[in-house]
Amino acid sequence: AQKVTQAQTEISVVEKEDVTLDCVYETRDTTYYLFWYKQPPSGELVFLIRRNSFDEQNEISGRYSWNFQKSTSSFNFTITASQVVDSAVYFCALSEVKSTGANSKLTFGKGITLSVRP
Amino acid sequence: DTGVSQDPRHKITKRGQNVTFRCDPISEHNRLYWYRQTLGQGPEFLTYFQNEAQLEKSRLLSDRFSAERPKGSFSTLEIQRTEQGDSAMYLCASGWGGGATDTQYFGPGTRLTVL
Repeated sequence: AQKVTQAQTEISVVEKEDVTLDCVYETRDTTYYLFWYKQPPSGELVFLIRRNSFDEQNEISGRYSWNFQKSTSSFNFTITASQVVDSAVYFCALSEVKSTGANSKLTFGKGITLSVRP
Repeated sequence: DTGVSQDPRHKITKRGQNVTFRCDPISEHNRLYWYRQTLGQGPEFLTYFQNEAQLEKSRLLSDRFSAERPKGSFSTLEIQRTEQGDSAMYLCASGWGGGATDTQYFGPGTRLTVL
């Protein structure tokens, strides 16, 4: 069975601090996708990134960066120079890949509530 | 390109009543997913469709729950004889099944409160 663990439940930082959100996953599949979603107070889940299990390159997008390490089954997310607008719940998720190449249902972690104070 | 839409956004009902939610996916997406999210938890998978075919159902989807996607476009999720434990946010997502562009995009959700 697939499992995603987000051990941090709440993080509070002051604006402009860097913050890392941890994600550890378990799967028996050799091919899978990893995702991060943001859920602001409005409630709608916003897609941030998808990573294929064969692509261990780290990725940077503006102030966001992701570190994927298969050896430790981790897919951590770092926000550099955090801003108040980054305040939200962040979810890490995992999906298996079907023979068609399409991914299937997402298994989510419990989420990390990030509060960025001015 | 409009996103995923869900209707209604909020629903308050009395225990024992039936409720139906609607989801309109992104137009070119052939896959549609339903999830349920309770307070302080991540979304949990309920079921998904590829076109009009329901391909997988979670054991969370009891006999009181039924989902349809009759023409492969919009979908409905019905809960019969609602219970207080059904109170949750019901999320719909859509995606393109196939190739390297498999990402699920979520709608705003329908918040159900069962009194």
